[in-house]
Amino acid sequence: AQKITQTQPGMFVQEKEAVTLDCTYDTSDPSYGLFWYKQPSSGEMIFLIYQGSYDQQNATEGRYSLNFQKARKSANLVISASQLGDSAMYFCALNAGNNRKLIWGLGTSLAVNP
Amino acid sequence: GAVVSQHPSWVICKSGTSVKIECRSLDFQATTMFWYRQFPKQSLMLMATSNEGSKATYEQGVEKDKFLINHASLTLSTLTVTSAHPEDSSFYICSASGGPQHFGDGTRLSIL
Repeated sequence: AQKITQTQPGMFVQEKEAVTLDCTYDTSDPSYGLFWYKQPSSGEMIFLIYQGSYDQQNATEGRYSLNFQKARKSANLVISASQLGDSAMYFCALNAGNNRKLIWGLGTSLAVNP
Repeated sequence: GAVVSQHPSWVICKSGTSVKIECRSLDFQATTMFWYRQFPKQSLMLMATSNEGSKATYEQGVEKDKFLINHASLTLSTLTVTSAHPEDSSFYICSASGGPQHFGDGTRLSIL
């Protein structure tokens, strides 16, 4: 069965510091993709970053990077130089095989303190 | 800019009313769209997969007759909540698959 686990319900970080949001996954399919989305209080889901199972390098997008450890089945999101606008819910999601459906984690609420 | 448009953003209506929510992919063709429901402080719950030109695929426990989905074109899927009741009040959000899934801004539905 496919599963995403986010073990941190809430996280705090000081402005300008880096923060890591944890995500572990489970799938038996050798081909899969991992996604991170941000959901501010206004509700929209914002795509942040993607990592494919065959990608050789960790994905990076601006201040976002994905610490992909395949053997550990983890895909942690690292946000560098946190900003107040980073305060939001963050969801990790898995897509495997031919199925286009995403399997979602429960999310992590990040609060950036000034 | 937004690649998926969802309308309306807010709906407040009386119990028994049917409510239609539209989801449009703006700059790409989406043969597949997804409809989610989200309760406060919870994750997204997939309701159904909307397939252009064919019937939607509903997740277990989702009432097909309650949540009607129509995907008549490659850029438009609609979700109709029929005879809505207060327990249908929720945040509904759609996505379209164009590479990563891109989401609409969601619809907050309040049934009085």
